[in-house]
Amino acid sequence: QAVVTQPASLSASPGATARLTCTLRRDISIGPYKIYWYQQKPGSPPLFLLNYKSDSDKLRASGVNSRFSGYKDASANAGILLISGLQSEDQADYYCLVWHSEAYVFGSGTTVTVL
Amino acid sequence: QVQLVQSGAEVRKPGASVKVSCKTSGYTFTSLDINWMRQAPGQGLEWMGWLSPNRGETDYAQRFRGRVTMTRDTATNTAYMELTGLQSDDTAIYFCARGIEAGFDHWGQGTLVTVSS
Repeated sequence: QAVVTQPASLSASPGATARLTCTLRRDISIGPYKIYWYQQKPGSPPLFLLNYKSDSDKLRASGVNSRFSGYKDASANAGILLISGLQSEDQADYYCLVWHSEAYVFGSGTTVTVL
Repeated sequence: QVQLVQSGAEVRKPGASVKVSCKTSGYTFTSLDINWMRQAPGQGLEWMGWLSPNRGETDYAQRFRGRVTMTRDTATNTAYMELTGLQSDDTAIYFCARGIEAGFDHWGQGTLVTVSS
């Protein structure tokens, strides 16, 4: 089973809040992990959005809109990326990243469609 | 401003090797790691490994060990990634990215490597 799992797609309406999940494999507790989030649009390299480990250890990249935020859902063993006030420009692929067993591991990505 | 500029697209035959460059500017090259990723057509991102430009130290993802070599030239602030024994499933866009503690904050534009007979 993959170290991190992301749903393949998510659709939401303009103005809605999109909740993207990055679920760690059941035998890996999310507590100590920092989750990194990237946005990628077609034909472009990924863009670093933010990271989240805890409320006291988090960072939104310079220039990234405050509509993007991160947190953890410990009960689901998942990192969460929230995109509030969804806009058409948010339509993209979103990848999470973790450092696990001396290697970086990307999730398979979630395609966000703004209806 | 920070920039990472990669070399142009490459076409190779199966069994050949490819070396991709990543020329950096706008910061002290030796102060931060360079990571390499790849993305096969229509697929997700895959981390390949990292290079410390200061010490030349490297660490590679398990699946690439023995086939990948990451090096640097501190005189030109350029990092390199060489992949040998290319097969069709190595066809991908290869990215370099600067690694800071917070994440991979600046990326190169990507280099398409096509492996075809």
